[in-house]
Amino acid sequence: GQNIDQPTEMTATEGAIVQINCTYQTSGFNGLFWYQQHAGEAPTFLSYNVLDGLEEKGRFSSFLSRSKGYSYLLLKELQMKDSASYLCAVTDSNYQLIWGAGTKLIIKP
Amino acid sequence: GAGVSQSPRYKVAKRGQDVALRCDPISGHVSLFWYQQALGQGPEFLTYFQNEAQLDKSGLPSDRFFAERPEGSVSTLKIQRTQQEDSAVYLCASSLVESGGFTGELFFGEGSRLTVL
Repeated sequence: GQNIDQPTEMTATEGAIVQINCTYQTSGFNGLFWYQQHAGEAPTFLSYNVLDGLEEKGRFSSFLSRSKGYSYLLLKELQMKDSASYLCAVTDSNYQLIWGAGTKLIIKP
Repeated sequence: GAGVSQSPRYKVAKRGQDVALRCDPISGHVSLFWYQQALGQGPEFLTYFQNEAQLDKSGLPSDRFFAERPEGSVSTLKIQRTQQEDSAVYLCASSLVESGGFTGELFFGEGSRLTVL
């Protein structure tokens, strides 16, 4: 079956760095997305990786290792507004998006 | 508007009642997806349209669920004879690119929260 695993919840301190991991097992791979979802709101796009390596975009970076079926989202200089759920999603061989359950990130002052 | 619009934002239905949820995607977006999201979970795929064609409905949980997009723009998700397990947020998302070769960013609406009593 297809499976995406990410931690259920993480806690970090304002101003610090946090890394949210995602491992996947899917039938084929055509890219990995990270989305941010604040409570009661729509998911919004953060990043897309299809090749191995690190993609940096401001305070957020996303890393992919296709051989290991692994990605992480790195958030630097955490702000209170970063408190949200972070969803990992993989496009499989049929170009279907398979979603993880999300990681709830709690930022403390 | 510039984004994906969904209505109603909130719907309370009695068990057995029929409901219709509307999605107005971003103008010109070819692909339209419906997802069901339970509390604390990621979105679960329901169905996919490319323009007016419903290319994949494998995620619809039962024949009580029906979706259409007759003119390739606005879409409606209809749930007949609602059950308590249908309570969830129903998200609509659109994308400029076609799903075959999907590498595009999805733009989500804020969702319709359905509560079945």
